[in-house]
Amino acid sequence: GDSVTQTEGLVTLTKGLPVMLNCTYQTTYSPFLFWYVQHLNEAPKLLLKSSTDNKRTEHQGFYATLHKSSSSFHLQKSSVQLSDSALYFCALRNYNVLYFGSGTKLTVEP
Amino acid sequence: GALVYQYPRRTICKSGTSMRMECQAVGFQATSVAWYRQSPQKTFELIALSTVNSAIKYEQNFTQEKFPISHPNLSFSSMTVLNAYLEDRGLYLCGATRDNSAETLYFGSGTRLTVL
Repeated sequence: GDSVTQTEGLVTLTKGLPVMLNCTYQTTYSPFLFWYVQHLNEAPKLLLKSSTDNKRTEHQGFYATLHKSSSSFHLQKSSVQLSDSALYFCALRNYNVLYFGSGTKLTVEP
Repeated sequence: GALVYQYPRRTICKSGTSMRMECQAVGFQATSVAWYRQSPQKTFELIALSTVNSAIKYEQNFTQEKFPISHPNLSFSSMTVLNAYLEDRGLYLCGATRDNSAETLYFGSGTRLTVL
């Protein structure tokens, strides 16, 4: 069945450094991938989405490229800020539902 | 814009009792509503997908007998947690889509269930 894998559970970085959060997926359908960000005590909010192979998509300084050849959709940012501390979930769409990865908690330190 | 409201935001119930939570779509017609539970460990579990004019589809480990869902119109859905126990605690989220070709699920803020 469909599944999403996020290998890092916890990532801690100093402000200003780059970050990459890994996301790989398995599906038998044409992939549609999402990144959601969830701040403390809030609902998850859409950060990025893509179904186009090898095309970079960007939002709020974050970017990701869907690579169908490697079944990946890694999230990156060139310089993290304190406000980026949150949970990040990669998700795969199948019809009208999303299958989420286990999430990565990003903590940015001063 | 598309907004999804969930009520109540937080609720506490005694073990073995039931509680009902609501999901309201504002500004769009929610043809599909997916209910999720986010465990204290923060992982998301899909409970069921409710699509207007279709049968509600429950995921493995979730049943209608335990989590009955009502989706009476294109703006409202409710789910009840029957006979809640400690393992049912968590944040219950509803995600609504505009139509069957919609790209994005719009999430409500969730209902946090605590079971005593």
